[in-house]
Amino acid sequence: DAGVIQSPRHEVTEMGQEVTLRCKPISGHNSLFWYRQTMMRGLELLIYFNNNVPIDDSGMPEDRFSAKMPNASFSTLKIQPSEPRDSAVYFCASSPREGGGEKLFFGSGTQLSVL
Amino acid sequence: KQEVTQIPAALSVPEGENLVLNCSFTDSAIYNLQWFRQDPGKGLTSLLLIQSSQREQTSGRLNASLDKSSGRSTLYIAASQPGDSATYLCAIKRVLDMRFGAGTRLTVKP
Repeated sequence: DAGVIQSPRHEVTEMGQEVTLRCKPISGHNSLFWYRQTMMRGLELLIYFNNNVPIDDSGMPEDRFSAKMPNASFSTLKIQPSEPRDSAVYFCASSPREGGGEKLFFGSGTQLSVL
Repeated sequence: KQEVTQIPAALSVPEGENLVLNCSFTDSAIYNLQWFRQDPGKGLTSLLLIQSSQREQTSGRLNASLDKSSGRSTLYIAASQPGDSATYLCAIKRVLDMRFGAGTRLTVKP
């Protein structure tokens, strides 16, 4: 199994531009999570999906952030418009069971820099 | 409010030493607790998962304990090696979310 696959690996963009981060979870996993990691705030949960349905998006910082999971094998996190304070590493993770009652498997992350 | 606290923030030890990393949490109503390892520029790798009904889990040189009543978990690493150098994070699974500590950055010197 290839694990959780995220793209792009690095993204550099200018303030105001739209950014789309992509994630392919491990096949057969029912839960998918988006996290953001910064030095100041550590690892923060943004949103998670169970069986493609968003369950808790209370961690999404603003309306500029949106996430979708159109099918079991693909999810996107979109920031529009992007701001310098959005610069962080964004991780996607998946888990075999609903709610993450088992181990979480993380992707390698997307390093986002907004200039 | 810091819900998951890890002490120390950084630790440097000589190779071969046994060591303990600490994790404390304020919410005793957890489903499970996981210990993760993160290498620089990489994602997190789950090392051990302890369900709320369990007291400890072991994998190779790693042993993790959980005391829900006191809100504490420890990760014990035996006979540390330079390859163990990484940041170790603990995370608690609650009803709706999973909360992470800030991590302990471990350096094992040859």
